[in-house]
Amino acid sequence: AQSVTQLDSQVPVFEEAPVELRCNYSSSVSVYLFWYVQYPNQGLQLLLKYLSGSTLVKGINGFEAEFNKSQTSFHLRKPSVHISDTAEYFCAVSHALGGKLIFGQGTELSVKP
Amino acid sequence: GAGVSQSPRYKVAKRGQDVALRCDPISGHVSLFWYQQALGQGPEFLTYFQNEAQLDKSGLPSDRFFAERPEGSVSTLKIQRTQQEDSAVYLCASSLPRRGNSYEQYFGPGTRLTVT
Repeated sequence: AQSVTQLDSQVPVFEEAPVELRCNYSSSVSVYLFWYVQYPNQGLQLLLKYLSGSTLVKGINGFEAEFNKSQTSFHLRKPSVHISDTAEYFCAVSHALGGKLIFGQGTELSVKP
Repeated sequence: GAGVSQSPRYKVAKRGQDVALRCDPISGHVSLFWYQQALGQGPEFLTYFQNEAQLDKSGLPSDRFFAERPEGSVSTLKIQRTQQEDSAVYLCASSLPRRGNSYEQYFGPGTRLTVT
């Protein structure tokens, strides 16, 4: 069975500081990995995805993530955050392209001025 | 272009009432997913359609939950005899899973169901 663990439920950070949101997964088969962002009262928006190829993937809004198969991790990073990045971030896995997503519990990123 | 839309956005139901939640996917998207997101939790998979066929309903929590997509477009999630534990945001997502496509699931804004 697949599962996703987001190690931090809340991450407070000051504006323009770097941030890393951690995600670990467990699966006995190959997986596809995703990060979604959810702003208040809105649906989820895809930030980036890893399907195959380069383990460093770049997404929207300056975010990037690195797939580490040996550590079963897919941590999300941004070198300099903005107030507008304040939102809930979800890591998700799927074992089939186009298949259902298994989500982590979410990490609330709070950017302070 | 139009994204995934859901209605109603908010629904308050008394315990024991039946509710119906609607999802309008992006036009042409063959795959449609329903997820349940409890307060402070990540979304959890409920069911999946490919066109009108319900290929996976393993996430439906009880036989009070029923979903349909009769013409392969609009989908309805029905909950019978609602219970307080059904209170959650119900998210719908659609995708066009084809080679060369991103396989991205596009999410609607959700329906927040509160059972009193």
